[in-house]
Amino acid sequence: TQLLEQSPQFLSIQEGENLTVYCNSSSVFSSLQWYRQEPGEGPVLLVTVVTGGEVKKLKRLTFQFGDARKDSSLHITAAQPGDTGLYLCAGVNAGNMLTFGGGTRLMVKP
Amino acid sequence: KAGVTQTPRYLIKTRGQQVTLSCSPISGHRSVSWYQQTPGQGLQFLFEYFSETQRNKGNFPGRFSGRQFSNSRSEMNVSTLELGDSALYLCASSRYQVADTEAFFGQGTRLTVV
Repeated sequence: TQLLEQSPQFLSIQEGENLTVYCNSSSVFSSLQWYRQEPGEGPVLLVTVVTGGEVKKLKRLTFQFGDARKDSSLHITAAQPGDTGLYLCAGVNAGNMLTFGGGTRLMVKP
Repeated sequence: KAGVTQTPRYLIKTRGQQVTLSCSPISGHRSVSWYQQTPGQGLQFLFEYFSETQRNKGNFPGRFSGRQFSNSRSEMNVSTLELGDSALYLCASSRYQVADTEAFFGQGTRLTVV
């Protein structure tokens, strides 16, 4: 069974602070996806990283895929209250199935 | 365009009963995947259907089943409900394989088993 561990599980910060969320596994994934889920809604895809070492930026969000394609990180610069939500990483395996991490619940206080 | 529609949004059932949940994917999408989300286990993959065929299956007991119709709409059924089946059930649709193209999730059906 492929497992994805996310850390931290919970994060409460003030507006304007920076933060990093980690997604780690002992397994190699062909690609990795990051989602954000808000209460009462389904997850929404933020980004897909495919190549080892790849870095993608989405405004204040920076996503990195590890060289060995086993881990990933999400860095948010100058967090805003609108960034509040549950952040999920999901690895794509050889069977084209998504394995989700446990999630990081982020709260950004004004 | 219309998003993924899941019905019903909320459901309360008694232990031992069965339940059927419905998912209408985005028009043109042929892949529908189902997930169970609980506070303790997170998001877990149930199964994926593509063109009416189950293509992938997660590690859930046989009480969980699904099907897909020719119009790509999908249903999942849970028989002999247990308290532990209480969860948010999410479906995701994508044009081809959920892992290759962007997956769009519905709002989910929150099932409570009492």
